[in-house]
Amino acid sequence: EAGVAQSPRYKIIEKRQSVAFWCNPISGHATLYWYQQILGQGPKLLIQFQNNGVVDDSQLPKDRFSAERLKGVDSTLKIQPAKLEDSAVYLCASSFVSGEDYGYTFGSGTRLTVV
Amino acid sequence: AQSVTQLGSHVSVSEGALVLLRCNYSSSVPPYLFWYVQYPNQGLQLLLKYTSAATLVKGINGFEAEFKKSETSFHLTKPSAHMSDAAEYFCAVIPNPWNSGNTPLVFGKGTRLSVIA
Repeated sequence: EAGVAQSPRYKIIEKRQSVAFWCNPISGHATLYWYQQILGQGPKLLIQFQNNGVVDDSQLPKDRFSAERLKGVDSTLKIQPAKLEDSAVYLCASSFVSGEDYGYTFGSGTRLTVV
Repeated sequence: AQSVTQLGSHVSVSEGALVLLRCNYSSSVPPYLFWYVQYPNQGLQLLLKYTSAATLVKGINGFEAEFKKSETSFHLTKPSAHMSDAAEYFCAVIPNPWNSGNTPLVFGKGTRLSVIA
C-alpha cells in the first residue's frame, strides 16, 4: 500500500511570499488532515476534510492560510503571505474508520523555513 | 477539552536500560490512545494503539504500553534501549471515539529520547 505523498520536502521563502504544499492521501481514505508542527512541539490540527468538504477548520488562520481538496483526493495547503512564525513542518495525514479500528497514516511532511 | 500530557520533554537512558515515556490523558470517556515515533526529518510512524481491547498493547520495535483507566495513563516502555531508539515520541488521543466518523488525533508535546552508549 502506497503511503501519503507530500511535496515539496523542503521550502525556503522570504516573509510575505506565498507558498503551496501538496498532499496525495492513501487511496480510499475519505478523511484528510493538515497538521502544523512547530519545532519542539506536537502536531496541531489546521484543517480536516471529509471527501472534498471541510469538517473542521477552526484552527486555520484564514487570513493567510487556505486549503482545498478538489475531487476528494489530492489536497493543497497555501500560505499567503507567509510570516516568520509559519516556519514549521506541515504534515498531511489520511485516515479510515472500520468498526472500532482507526488507522491514521502520515506523510513525511514539508519543512517550511520563512526568512 | 480533551488533552494529553507527556511528562518530560527529554529523557536520556543508557543503551540496554529500561525506557519509560510517560503519557497521561484527560477525558470524560475512555479514549483511544496512540504512540508515534518521529525520526529526524521524517513523518510520524505508528508504534502502537489502544482501541478498547486488551489494556496491554504490544507494538513494533519491542515497545509496549499499558492503558490504566484508574491512573488515566498510557505509558510507553521498552525493556532494553537500543541506539536506534533515539527519536521524538508523541502520545496522541482520539478524545471521543464513540462519535461516528473520523476524528483528528490530538497530540502531546512530545518527548525526545536520547540513548547513551
